Amino acid sequence: AQSVTQLGSHVSVSEGALVLLRCNYSSSVPPYLFWYVQYPNQGLQLLLKYTSAATLVKGINGFEAEFKKSETSFHLTKPSAHMSDAAEYFCAVSLFGNEKLTFGTGTRLTIIP
Amino acid sequence: DAGVIQSPRHEVTEMGQEVTLRCKPISGHDYLFWYRQTMMRGLELLIYFNNNVPIDDSGMPEDRFSAKMPNASFSTLKIQPSEPRDSAVYFCASSPTGNSNQPQHFGDGTRLSIL
Repeated sequence: AQSVTQLGSHVSVSEGALVLLRCNYSSSVPPYLFWYVQYPNQGLQLLLKYTSAATLVKGINGFEAEFKKSETSFHLTKPSAHMSDAAEYFCAVSLFGNEKLTFGTGTRLTIIP
Repeated sequence: DAGVIQSPRHEVTEMGQEVTLRCKPISGHDYLFWYRQTMMRGLELLIYFNNNVPIDDSGMPEDRFSAKMPNASFSTLKIQPSEPRDSAVYFCASSPTGNSNQPQHFGDGTRLSIL
């Protein structure tokens, strides 16, 4: 079975600072990995996905994530935080041939002006 | 293009009442998923359909919950009778057919409060 662990349920960064949200996965086979963002009172929106092509994946709103097999990690980064980035972020994993997504517990990102 | 549409957006009802949540997936998407989100348990998959057929309902908490998909453009999640512990945000999501690397597209959810 697959799973993801998001380290830190709350992360605060200053506006303009680096954003780093951590995600580690557990899977017996190569996984597909996703980052979703949820704004208040909205559903989840896809930020980016890794599907075994390039290990560095670029997404929307300036976010990117790097798949590191040796570390079983898929951390999300953004060089310079913006106030509009304040939201909850979810890492998720699926396996080839299985449409089910397994989500992490989420990280709430707060941006300090 | 229209996204996944859920109704109602908010529902407040008394314990014991029947609750029906509705979802219209994105046209052409063959998979439909129902999730529940709570502070305590996070995001849980309840059930999902492929081509209107339920594939995995192992996440449905108990017999009070049921889901149907009578056609490709409509699904319902029903709770009967409802209990206060069912209070949560319920999301519907859909994805296109094909590989499991296809992202799921979420609706804005139904916020359910059982008094």
